[in-house]
Amino acid sequence: DAKTTQPTSMDCAEGRAANLPCNHSTISGNEYVYWYRQIHSQGPQYIIHGLKNNETNEMASLIITEDRKSSTLILPHATLRDTAVYYCIVPPPSWGKLQFGAGTQVVVTP
Amino acid sequence: EAGVAQSPRYKIIEKRQSVAFWCNPISGHATLYWYQQILGQGPKLLIQFQNNGVVDDSQLPKDRFSAERLKGVDSTLKIQPAKLEDSAVYLCASSLDLAQYFGPGTRLTVL
Repeated sequence: DAKTTQPTSMDCAEGRAANLPCNHSTISGNEYVYWYRQIHSQGPQYIIHGLKNNETNEMASLIITEDRKSSTLILPHATLRDTAVYYCIVPPPSWGKLQFGAGTQVVVTP
Repeated sequence: EAGVAQSPRYKIIEKRQSVAFWCNPISGHATLYWYQQILGQGPKLLIQFQNNGVVDDSQLPKDRFSAERLKGVDSTLKIQPAKLEDSAVYLCASSLDLAQYFGPGTRLTVL
Protein backbone atom coordinates (compact mmCIF):
# COMPACT_ATOMS: atom_id res chain seq x y z
CA ASP A 1 0.00 0.00 0.00
CA ALA A 2 1.16 3.53 -0.70
CA LYS A 3 1.91 5.25 2.60
CA THR A 4 0.25 8.59 3.30
CA THR A 5 1.42 11.44 5.51
CA GLN A 6 -0.96 13.99 6.99
CA PRO A 7 -0.58 16.74 9.59
CA THR A 8 -1.71 15.69 13.03
CA SER A 9 -4.13 18.54 13.51
CA MET A 10 -5.38 21.79 12.10
CA ASP A 11 -7.84 24.48 13.05
CA CYS A 12 -10.21 26.27 10.72
CA ALA A 13 -12.57 29.20 11.21
CA GLU A 14 -16.23 28.60 10.52
CA GLY A 15 -17.22 29.77 7.06
CA ARG A 16 -13.69 29.69 5.73
CA ALA A 17 -12.23 27.09 3.38
CA ALA A 18 -10.34 24.22 5.00
CA ASN A 19 -7.43 22.85 2.97
CA LEU A 20 -6.22 19.46 4.17
CA PRO A 21 -2.92 18.24 2.69
CA CYS A 22 -1.80 14.67 2.16
CA ASN A 23 1.49 13.31 0.85
CA HIS A 24 1.55 9.96 -0.97
CA SER A 25 4.88 10.00 -2.78
CA THR A 26 4.98 6.21 -3.37
CA ILE A 27 1.60 6.05 -5.08
CA SER A 28 1.38 3.81 -8.15
CA GLY A 29 -0.18 4.79 -11.44
CA ASN A 30 -3.41 2.84 -10.91
CA GLU A 31 -3.96 3.65 -7.24
CA TYR A 32 -6.73 6.00 -6.21
CA VAL A 33 -6.64 8.54 -3.39
CA TYR A 34 -9.58 8.27 -1.00
CA TRP A 35 -10.70 10.61 1.74
CA TYR A 36 -12.87 9.62 4.67
CA ARG A 37 -13.75 11.45 7.84
CA GLN A 38 -14.88 10.32 11.26
CA ILE A 39 -16.96 12.53 13.46
CA HIS A 40 -16.72 11.74 17.15
CA SER A 41 -18.63 8.60 18.16
CA GLN A 42 -19.68 7.84 14.58
CA GLY A 43 -18.43 5.45 11.92
CA PRO A 44 -16.14 6.76 9.17
CA GLN A 45 -17.85 8.57 6.31
CA TYR A 46 -16.74 8.40 2.69
CA ILE A 47 -16.04 11.87 1.26
CA ILE A 48 -14.44 11.64 -2.17
CA HIS A 49 -11.87 9.81 -4.26
CA GLY A 50 -9.78 10.51 -7.35
CA LEU A 51 -7.12 9.09 -9.64
CA LYS A 52 -5.44 12.02 -11.35
CA ASN A 53 -8.10 14.55 -12.26
CA ASN A 54 -9.49 17.00 -9.76
CA GLU A 55 -12.84 15.90 -8.35
CA THR A 56 -15.73 17.76 -6.75
CA ASN A 57 -18.91 16.60 -5.08
CA GLU A 58 -21.44 18.07 -2.70
CA MET A 59 -19.12 17.60 0.27
CA ALA A 60 -15.67 18.62 -0.93
CA SER A 61 -13.15 19.08 -3.70
CA LEU A 62 -10.05 16.96 -4.24
CA ILE A 63 -7.01 18.46 -5.90
CA ILE A 64 -4.31 16.00 -6.98
CA THR A 65 -0.92 17.29 -8.13
CA GLU A 66 0.23 16.46 -11.62
CA ASP A 67 2.90 14.05 -10.35
CA ARG A 68 0.22 12.49 -8.04
CA LYS A 69 2.57 12.58 -5.08
CA SER A 70 0.29 14.76 -3.02
CA SER A 71 -3.29 15.91 -2.79
CA THR A 72 -5.44 18.44 -0.98
CA LEU A 73 -8.97 18.01 0.28
CA ILE A 74 -10.89 21.27 0.27
CA LEU A 75 -13.96 21.90 2.40
CA PRO A 76 -15.15 25.12 0.76
CA HIS A 77 -17.14 26.60 3.65
CA ALA A 78 -16.32 24.81 6.88
CA THR A 79 -19.07 24.45 9.47
CA LEU A 80 -18.90 23.32 13.09
CA ARG A 81 -20.25 19.94 11.95
CA ASP A 82 -17.10 19.43 9.86
CA THR A 83 -15.08 18.96 13.05
CA ALA A 84 -13.73 15.43 12.64
CA VAL A 85 -10.67 13.28 11.96
CA TYR A 86 -9.93 13.25 8.23
CA TYR A 87 -8.18 10.26 6.70
CA CYS A 88 -6.31 10.22 3.40
CA ILE A 89 -5.96 6.63 2.18
CA VAL A 90 -4.44 4.98 -0.88
CA PRO A 91 -5.77 1.40 -0.96
CA PRO A 92 -4.28 -1.32 -3.16
CA PRO A 93 -6.06 -1.44 -6.52
CA SER A 94 -6.81 -5.15 -6.37
CA TRP A 95 -9.29 -4.92 -3.53
CA GLY A 96 -10.74 -2.30 -1.26
CA LYS A 97 -8.72 -2.86 1.94
CA LEU A 98 -8.42 0.47 3.73
CA GLN A 99 -5.42 1.13 5.96
CA PHE A 100 -6.40 3.93 8.31
CA GLY A 101 -3.53 5.97 9.73
CA ALA A 102 -3.84 8.60 12.44
CA GLY A 103 -5.47 11.15 10.12
CA THR A 104 -5.78 14.89 10.67
CA GLN A 105 -7.90 16.17 13.53
CA VAL A 106 -9.73 19.18 12.15
CA VAL A 107 -11.38 21.55 14.60
CA VAL A 108 -13.71 24.18 13.18
CA THR A 109 -14.12 27.12 15.52
CA PRO A 110 -16.84 29.79 15.57
CA GLU B 1 -31.42 4.67 0.87
CA ALA B 2 -30.96 2.98 4.22
CA GLY B 3 -27.43 2.87 5.58
CA VAL B 4 -25.49 0.05 7.17
CA ALA B 5 -27.26 -1.18 10.28
CA GLN B 6 -25.47 -2.65 13.29
CA SER B 7 -26.64 -4.03 16.59
CA PRO B 8 -26.28 -3.81 19.45
CA ARG B 9 -24.88 -0.30 19.74
CA TYR B 10 -23.31 -0.98 23.10
CA LYS B 11 -22.29 -4.15 24.92
CA ILE B 12 -20.61 -4.72 28.27
CA ILE B 13 -19.34 -8.19 29.14
CA GLU B 14 -16.85 -9.77 31.47
CA LYS B 15 -13.65 -11.34 30.22
CA ARG B 16 -13.96 -14.93 29.04
CA GLN B 17 -17.59 -14.40 28.08
CA SER B 18 -18.72 -14.57 24.46
CA VAL B 19 -20.38 -11.85 22.40
CA ALA B 20 -21.84 -11.49 18.92
CA PHE B 21 -22.39 -8.48 16.71
CA TRP B 22 -24.77 -8.23 13.79
CA CYS B 23 -24.50 -6.21 10.58
CA ASN B 24 -26.97 -5.58 7.78
CA PRO B 25 -25.24 -3.93 4.81
CA ILE B 26 -26.71 -1.55 2.27
CA SER B 27 -28.98 -3.46 -0.09
CA GLY B 28 -27.12 -4.74 -3.14
CA HIS B 29 -23.64 -4.27 -1.70
CA ALA B 30 -21.68 -7.44 -2.37
CA THR B 31 -18.66 -6.58 -0.25
CA LEU B 32 -18.82 -6.44 3.54
CA TYR B 33 -16.07 -5.52 5.98
CA TRP B 34 -15.59 -5.76 9.73
CA TYR B 35 -13.17 -3.33 11.39
CA GLN B 36 -11.93 -2.98 14.95
CA GLN B 37 -11.24 0.51 16.27
CA ILE B 38 -9.40 0.81 19.55
CA LEU B 39 -9.74 4.14 21.33
CA GLY B 40 -7.43 6.76 19.84
CA GLN B 41 -6.55 4.70 16.77
CA GLY B 42 -7.85 4.40 13.23
CA PRO B 43 -10.03 1.43 12.28
CA LYS B 44 -8.23 -1.85 11.51
CA LEU B 45 -9.67 -4.33 9.03
CA LEU B 46 -10.52 -7.69 10.58
CA ILE B 47 -12.22 -9.48 7.70
CA GLN B 48 -13.58 -8.78 4.23
CA PHE B 49 -16.34 -10.76 2.50
CA GLN B 50 -17.23 -10.79 -1.18
CA ASN B 51 -20.80 -12.12 -1.20
CA ASN B 52 -20.52 -15.08 1.20
CA GLY B 53 -16.83 -15.79 0.58
CA VAL B 54 -13.88 -14.52 2.60
CA VAL B 55 -11.49 -12.27 0.65
CA ASP B 56 -9.14 -11.28 3.48
CA ASP B 57 -9.06 -12.42 7.09
CA SER B 58 -5.34 -12.02 7.66
CA GLN B 59 -5.86 -9.67 10.63
CA LEU B 60 -8.59 -11.71 12.32
CA PRO B 61 -7.45 -13.39 15.56
CA LYS B 62 -8.88 -16.72 14.58
CA ASP B 63 -8.35 -18.37 17.95
CA ARG B 64 -11.14 -16.24 19.41
CA PHE B 65 -12.80 -14.31 16.59
CA SER B 66 -15.09 -15.74 13.93
CA ALA B 67 -17.32 -14.19 11.31
CA GLU B 68 -19.83 -15.45 8.82
CA ARG B 69 -22.02 -14.19 6.04
CA LEU B 70 -23.97 -17.29 5.18
CA LYS B 71 -26.45 -15.93 2.64
CA GLY B 72 -24.27 -13.15 1.32
CA VAL B 73 -26.27 -10.41 3.01
CA ASP B 74 -26.23 -10.09 6.82
CA SER B 75 -23.11 -10.89 8.78
CA THR B 76 -22.23 -11.74 12.35
CA LEU B 77 -18.92 -11.30 14.15
CA LYS B 78 -18.31 -13.36 17.28
CA ILE B 79 -15.71 -13.22 20.00
CA GLN B 80 -15.27 -16.23 22.25
CA PRO B 81 -13.76 -15.91 24.80
CA ALA B 82 -13.35 -12.16 25.12
CA LYS B 83 -10.23 -10.56 26.54
CA LEU B 84 -9.76 -7.13 28.10
CA GLU B 85 -7.88 -5.95 25.01
CA ASP B 86 -10.94 -6.64 22.83
CA SER B 87 -12.56 -3.50 24.22
CA ALA B 88 -13.11 -1.41 21.11
CA VAL B 89 -15.68 -0.22 18.62
CA TYR B 90 -16.53 -2.83 15.99
CA LEU B 91 -17.47 -1.26 12.70
CA CYS B 92 -19.20 -2.86 9.77
CA ALA B 93 -18.92 -1.40 6.27
CA SER B 94 -20.24 -2.37 2.86
CA SER B 95 -19.39 -1.38 -0.68
CA LEU B 96 -20.68 -1.75 -4.21
CA ASP B 97 -17.55 -0.49 -5.90
CA LEU B 98 -14.57 0.97 -4.03
CA ALA B 99 -16.19 3.53 -1.69
CA GLN B 100 -17.05 1.96 1.66
CA TYR B 101 -20.06 2.97 3.72
CA PHE B 102 -19.84 2.43 7.45
CA GLY B 103 -22.39 1.66 10.11
CA PRO B 104 -22.47 3.39 13.51
CA GLY B 105 -20.47 0.64 15.18
CA THR B 106 -20.87 -1.45 18.31
CA ARG B 107 -18.96 -0.27 21.35
CA LEU B 108 -17.71 -3.28 23.32
CA THR B 109 -16.43 -2.97 26.85
CA VAL B 110 -14.77 -6.04 28.40
CA LEU B 111 -14.45 -5.90 32.19
